[in-house]
This record gives sequence, C-alpha cells and structure tokens, in this order.
Amino acid sequence: SQQGEEDPQALSIQEGENATMNCSYKTSINNLQWYRQNSGRGLVHLILIRSNEREKHSGRLRVTLDTSKKSSSLLITASRAADTASYFCATGRSGGSNYKLTFGKGTLLTVNP
Amino acid sequence: DTAVSQTPKYLVTQMGNDKSIKCEQNLGHDTMYWYKQDSKKFLKIMFSYNNKELIINETVPNRFSPKSPDKAHLNLHINSLELGDSAVYFCASSHRGRGYGYTFGSGTRLTVV
Repeated sequence: SQQGEEDPQALSIQEGENATMNCSYKTSINNLQWYRQNSGRGLVHLILIRSNEREKHSGRLRVTLDTSKKSSSLLITASRAADTASYFCATGRSGGSNYKLTFGKGTLLTVNP
Repeated sequence: DTAVSQTPKYLVTQMGNDKSIKCEQNLGHDTMYWYKQDSKKFLKIMFSYNNKELIINETVPNRFSPKSPDKAHLNLHINSLELGDSAVYFCASSHRGRGYGYTFGSGTRLTVV
C-alpha cells in the first residue's frame, strides 16, 4: 500500500523564493528519502534522513523529520529555474528480512524565471 | 559512464505480444529493483533481487517475470501484453540495507496499442 503522501500536489514559485514540500506517512519507518524527477527522466536521490534524526542539510536542501507526527518536509532555498521538477518522498521500512522503499505521489514544483 | 542503464528507452507494441526490458548497473550494488510509474506518476515497486535472489515480489500478474543472470543485471519479461501495462518502467539499484539511496535508470516508456 502507498506510504508517503506529498503536499502540495503542485507548487509554483518565482526564482529566488524558497519552496517547501511536505510528506506524511502512516507506519513506522527506518528512514525517509527525497528524490527529484525531471520530466521524462529517472529519479535522482537527493537526501536521506534516518528515523533517529530530526534535521539534515545538503547544499540548498533542508529536510526535517518528525516521527511523532509521521511527517517530513523538504525546503529548497533560493530556488532556481533548474529546480523545476517533481519531488518524491520515499519511506524505507523493513518487513521481515526485507527492506522496502515506498514512494509517494510527488509534488510538481515549477520555478518561474 | 551510465550507472544504471535500461534498454530500450521506448517500446511500442501490440496487445498480446511478449517483450523484454533489460537493465544493467556498473555501481557494484548487490540489489536491483523494478518499479512501475503510471500516468499519474505513482511509483510502485514490482520486484527486487539481491545477489540474483528474488527478495521482493509484489502483487504483480504472472505475465511479468524478472530474471537476474548476475548481480549487475536484472531483466523484465512481459508476456501477453495488455493495454493496462502501458507505463514507464524504472530499474534501480542500491546496496542492500536500510541506509542507502537508490540509483535509478532513465526508464523505459512502454506503450501497448
């Protein structure tokens, strides 16, 4: 069953503004990851945050994780037109001896020049 | 050097045909995956192989059969193609375990007519 739900489904901002996307999930997780997908391309791994971490930074990206609320947010600061893409959260969870990564439906971010 | 490569990139075929998609990774990862992305961009895992062993087999019709000749290759064969099989199929790879991101191929867009 689907695990992550991104919010909003679509976001349109001006270049230079910050973009915030949220992700909610339903069950316990080992980690949460964010991916970017440009139109017609594969997914690119952006950042991974473990369940015992609350915040992580990578360049212009800032990810938070609140396991009590089962939610995460991805902040992209000083956005650029090249950031235009779909962004997916994915929850990593172990089931038995297997670890599985389950994706949400994504947020389509449009950065206008 | 392409890390995860899939062939073909596009595949248009008639209902009832049998087709295969190939995937190869040169990252030294021990686990490979097939995901299906539908027209609404929802990504769903289909199969996962670790060192040639099938470890995840989601509820997928028997017409879909994965095959992993070695840990660097994972192919997907689809029998008796149906209209509903039209989607983008992504191959991915990773190290097995909870703390790793996935590397995705660029996808195979399958259109069944």
